[in-house]
Amino acid sequence: KNQVEQSPQSLIILEGKNCTLQCNYTVSPFSNLRWYKQDTGRGPVSLTIMTFSENTKSNGRYTATLDADTKQSSLHITASQLSDSASYICVVSGYNNNDMRFGAGTRLTVKP
Amino acid sequence: EPEVTQTPSHQVTQMGQEVILRCVPISNHLYFYWYRQILGQKVEFLVSFYNNEISEKSEIFDDQFSVERPDGSNFTLKIRSTKLEDSAMYFCASSEGVLSYNEQFFGPGTRLTVL
Repeated sequence: KNQVEQSPQSLIILEGKNCTLQCNYTVSPFSNLRWYKQDTGRGPVSLTIMTFSENTKSNGRYTATLDADTKQSSLHITASQLSDSASYICVVSGYNNNDMRFGAGTRLTVKP
Repeated sequence: EPEVTQTPSHQVTQMGQEVILRCVPISNHLYFYWYRQILGQKVEFLVSFYNNEISEKSEIFDDQFSVERPDGSNFTLKIRSTKLEDSAMYFCASSEGVLSYNEQFFGPGTRLTVL
């Protein structure tokens, strides 16, 4: 069954701290994995995209990793800011855009 | 920077009423999508649309749902007879191509509340 599981479900950290969010998937066939940031009441915005041959991809303070063998990905946020408070969604895709599997997201709260 | 827009931002309706949710995709995009997100749950695919016809649809997209691109710019989702369980955020998205490396750009969503 094609599944995307994320952990933790929610996370609270202090401003300036780092954190790591996890994504495990069983989706097949696999084409790419994206991490999205979704602010409350808004649509998701893509942070990173990785294909099976990529291990690490950075976008500013966001660094995503992918292990296609174990079907695991992580999103590391460095030096968190209050504006990082959002849901972070892992999305695993097959070959076309009709085949995107969304995780339930991790709700991150950054406190001052 | 071009973006997907959606109207209205919030729609309240009575059960059994028809609603039309509107979206203006990014102008050079060819593929359009509707997603649903029930409060506290994951985003769910509803339907994709290309060349004025449905490409794919999920089990959720039953006969009460329909999509249309009436004028070459707007992309609409119609729910004919709303049910309480249709209450959710509805997101429109568009992409240049259908392959999954073509990023989908999401609109801000319409919150539908069915009373």
